[in-house]
Amino acid sequence: DAGVIQSPRHEVTEMGQEVTLRCKPISGHNSLFWYRQTMMRGLELLIYFNNNVPIDDSGMPEDRFSAKMPNASFSTLKIQPSEPRDSAVYFCASRPSNHRGGATDTQYFGPGTRLTVL
Amino acid sequence: GNSVTQMEGPVTLSEEAFLTINCTYTATGYPSLFWYVQYPGEGLQLLLKATKADDKGSNKGFEATYRKETTSFHLEKGSVQVSDSAVYFCALSDGTGGFKTIFGAGTRLFVKA
Repeated sequence: DAGVIQSPRHEVTEMGQEVTLRCKPISGHNSLFWYRQTMMRGLELLIYFNNNVPIDDSGMPEDRFSAKMPNASFSTLKIQPSEPRDSAVYFCASRPSNHRGGATDTQYFGPGTRLTVL
Repeated sequence: GNSVTQMEGPVTLSEEAFLTINCTYTATGYPSLFWYVQYPGEGLQLLLKATKADDKGSNKGFEATYRKETTSFHLEKGSVQVSDSAVYFCALSDGTGGFKTIFGAGTRLFVKA
């Protein structure tokens, strides 16, 4: 398996521009998570989906951030408009279900997207 | 609510030294406990886990024992290598296999040759 795939790996943009980060979870995993990592704040959970449905978006910093999961194999995290304080590494992670279809414990992380907003 | 506290870094050791990274947790119920490792430029990956009290998780020479009486899950390795240099995250998920995993702040480890 290719693991969780994220694109782009690096993104440099200017303040005010729209940024879209993409994630392809591991096939068969039914939960998907978006995290943000910075030196100051560490690893923060932004939002997670279960079976393509957003379950908890309380970590999304503000209305400039939005996330979608149109199908089981694709998710996006969009920032519009972007600001310099959004500069961070954004990780996507997925998690498999157990044989009963419920959640399991271990998450599988992608390599991350390093976002720089100038 | 559930939380994880781990020792602040960075931790700097010489090769072949003994490693301990402390982790304590606060949780209701019976959480599963994890150590994840993040190598430079990569995402987090599971290092080891334990799902119930007194369980010992182990992998790549690392060990951690789920201690319910002290609410701890300290990471240990008897002889570290330069390749162990990374950031280590202690984490928990609630006993129902719930949707969220709570991560600690991470501890950076530097191993010198």
